[in-house]
Amino acid sequence: EVQLVESGGVVVQPGGSLRLSCAASGFTFDDYAMHWVRQAPGKGLEWVSLISWDGGSTYYADSVKGRFTISRDNSKNSLYLQMNSLRAEDTALYYCAKDGEVTPGGYYFDYWGQGTLVTVSS
Amino acid sequence: SYELTQPLSVSVALGQTARITCGGNNIGSKNVHWYQQKPGQAPVLVIYRDSNRPSGIPERFSGSNSGNTATLTISRAQAGDEADYYCQVWDSSTAGVFGGGTKLTVL
Repeated sequence: EVQLVESGGVVVQPGGSLRLSCAASGFTFDDYAMHWVRQAPGKGLEWVSLISWDGGSTYYADSVKGRFTISRDNSKNSLYLQMNSLRAEDTALYYCAKDGEVTPGGYYFDYWGQGTLVTVSS
Repeated sequence: SYELTQPLSVSVALGQTARITCGGNNIGSKNVHWYQQKPGQAPVLVIYRDSNRPSGIPERFSGSNSGNTATLTISRAQAGDEADYYCQVWDSSTAGVFGGGTKLTVL
């Protein structure tokens, strides 16, 4: 059974930093690209970032480019999101999501975690 | 940047057919994926690559994509189908793109 478990969400002040983690199990982690998707309270889904199976390629939404960094550790079956220079508009539930197809990938999300809440507030 | 447009809400009578649209410039040339999200839950993939159903998704869910509109069709709508539905594509310049979401109400 595929499982994705996010952690690291807290309340942080504007301008602060935070690192989210996602522990994956139930599939061959290094066969798949991985994504972060977020959802602000009461709002729709927003794709945030993608990392290739080997970490060699990364992509970001314009709204987070230059502030967030996605990474992975295949030896630990883990995905990360380093978030710097946080803003109030980054407040959201952050989901870790598995790509739907093995490399090169399908660029859709077939399994999601339950999310971790990041609140940016003074 | 690439944008997807969905109606804010769609209503359907119990047992009837609901159609949720997703509009985008030449969306027919892209792969469209659909997600269902119930309150307090993570999204669930219901259709991928325009018209394919993941295992465990009822045959009542189907998808099509042509021209500037993709459509998610839910046949014989049930109360349990009430949810928000999102379309999604991958664009070469914008990367991951979601529609704004459609709230489905089953009357």
